[in-house]
Amino acid sequence: KQEVTQIPAALSVPEGENLVLNCSFTDSAIYNLQWFRQDPGKGLTSLLLIQSSQREQTSGRLNASLDKSSGRSTLYIAASQPGDSATYLCAVTNTGTASKLTFGTGTRLQVTL
Amino acid sequence: SAVISQKPSRDICQRGTSLTIQCQVDSQVTMMFWYRQQPGQSLTLIATANQGSEATYESGFVIDKFPISRPNLTFSTLTVSNMSPEDSSIYLCSVEEPRGTEAFFGQGTRLTVV
Repeated sequence: KQEVTQIPAALSVPEGENLVLNCSFTDSAIYNLQWFRQDPGKGLTSLLLIQSSQREQTSGRLNASLDKSSGRSTLYIAASQPGDSATYLCAVTNTGTASKLTFGTGTRLQVTL
Repeated sequence: SAVISQKPSRDICQRGTSLTIQCQVDSQVTMMFWYRQQPGQSLTLIATANQGSEATYESGFVIDKFPISRPNLTFSTLTVSNMSPEDSSIYLCSVEEPRGTEAFFGQGTRLTVV
């Protein structure tokens, strides 16, 4: 059974700092990995999708990497802003599980002025 | 990217009643997914809804408690039946089309059972 863990559970940084969020998964037979953002009480916004054959994806100030063999992904946020404050979730789709997403526990990020 | 609309966005319900949540997608999709997010927890898949067939439920979820309809390729409903305070959660629908690509989510339905 796939298990996804995110570290740290919570993080507070001053504005302008670069930061890294970590995601690990127990079963390396994944089809893809996706990073999401969730604002309090809201739905999920997709940030980046990495296919299993890819090593990284970039979108603006965000960069996500994937090391499938070691079961790890990182989300790098450059020059953080207060608007980045949210919970960040990673989720994996295993091969052969019909697109079912297994979610991590999330990292709650607060960027302070 | 798919645009997903969920209704209602939030509701407060009495225990023992039922609530039906609607999910509308702006394009035709093969599979739709329903997730639950309990307070302070991550998302858990309830079931996969395929058009023209019964939904496939994950372990721990049953059709009597969470009946799902999928009348066409753009619409689905999830009913939370005979509610108790333990059903208080955010319920989200999701699509992934084509399969294996980016998943998109509705804005969620925040349910409080009193």
